[in-house]
Amino acid sequence: DIQLTQSPSSLSASEGDRVTITCQASQDIYKYLNWYQQRPGKAPKLLIYDASNLETGVPSRFSGSGFGIDFTLTISTLQPEDFATYFCQQYDDLPLTFGGGTKVEIQ
Amino acid sequence: QVQLQQSGPGLVKPSETLSLTCAVSGHSISDAHHWGWIRQSPGKGLEWIASIYYTGTTSYNPSLQSRVTISVDTSKNQFSLKLRSVTAADTAVYYCARGGPTILSALDVWGPGTTVTVSS
Repeated sequence: DIQLTQSPSSLSASEGDRVTITCQASQDIYKYLNWYQQRPGKAPKLLIYDASNLETGVPSRFSGSGFGIDFTLTISTLQPEDFATYFCQQYDDLPLTFGGGTKVEIQ
Repeated sequence: QVQLQQSGPGLVKPSETLSLTCAVSGHSISDAHHWGWIRQSPGKGLEWIASIYYTGTTSYNPSLQSRVTISVDTSKNQFSLKLRSVTAADTAVYYCARGGPTILSALDVWGPGTTVTVSS
């Protein structure tokens, strides 16, 4: 199975901050990586697909980058509704696998 | 707007079978998408369980394959999950989700989740 390692596992930030989350794959996954946001008690929501493509309706302050093994999710200006947990997911090969998550908390 | 509505018991006894159904509205289940199940537990995070295409083609996570069956009912526009011989380790929130035209894709629409507890 392809392992995805996210870092940090949690972070504290303030509204307006720039936040960066990384996801490292255990092998080359080309561009086949997605990012999800999960608020407490809710299902994950797709933010970014194919490493850098913004899902329809997702604010432009979210962006993704990376290729191969190393990927990044950036929130340019943190808003109150962005305090949540973020997951990466690979679809280069089965089984589909997810990272362990990064919890973004209010500082 | 595509919506997924989950149904099934929240409590299952050990060694019994967990059965969940996901009803699709706003989209034909036969319209070029895969449909899948994912679970989330504190211990194992998010875990993909299985996916199915409307034709009945299935894919399973090898870690669960021996105990899992995913099926589709195109006449009712829904798909289902059965997990046999459950133990406490199967306690989790179970989600259904829509994938893409290929099995290897993003999951762009999710159901609300069903909390399933395995306990006697």
